Amino acid sequence: ETGVTQTPRHLVMGMTNKKSLKCEQHLGHNAMYWYKQSAKKPLELMFVYNFKEQTENNSVPSRFSPECPNSSHLFLHLHTLQPEDSALYLCASSETGSNTEAFFGQGTRLTVV
Amino acid sequence: RKEVEQDPGPFNVPEGATVAFNCTYSNSASQSFFWYRQDCRKEPKLLMSVYSSGNEDGRFTAQLNRASQYISLLIRDSKLSDSATYLCVVNRGGGYQKVTFGIGTKLQVIP
Repeated sequence: ETGVTQTPRHLVMGMTNKKSLKCEQHLGHNAMYWYKQSAKKPLELMFVYNFKEQTENNSVPSRFSPECPNSSHLFLHLHTLQPEDSALYLCASSETGSNTEAFFGQGTRLTVV
Repeated sequence: RKEVEQDPGPFNVPEGATVAFNCTYSNSASQSFFWYRQDCRKEPKLLMSVYSSGNEDGRFTAQLNRASQYISLLIRDSKLSDSATYLCVVNRGGGYQKVTFGIGTKLQVIP
């Protein structure tokens, strides 16, 4: 079992659809993150959950809605997305603390049509 | 000024060459620093942490210069398998991970 698992790996959705991305970590970490990676841009931190509580929301549009039901699972609910939201969405987890490694899932490649 | 700046490259080097990447950061209060490696269409993975005293892991050497606010990665005796994008990561600290990623430097090692 890999440390951080994301599903689906690929997703194509229309602008009026609603879909959810799922992330599961088996590392016993207490912090989980959503990142967006677009072409020719650095990874952008979207949301941070620490002990299931959202502790950071980096001005992400409300069409992205995170959910963290427990410390092992993280969801990203998507609705009425725009074509410019097409990107690789990466989930990561880590221990809390400033000198810790983040472990990433393989990502969901999202295309909005 | 960007919080973390890297030359996106690509750096095309022959096998066996030595190559160095630099990364500058703007927040002087940054606490920890890392190099991640990202292969094409894969997720980033930690390559090495960067310590004030400098650290080495085989062919890879990382250094931190707090006064000039940059970190570096040196790769000696480049292998084809080193071809990847190298991401500079800076952590502002604060009790849990608050990191900023650089855009990454693409390395292509040529036979």
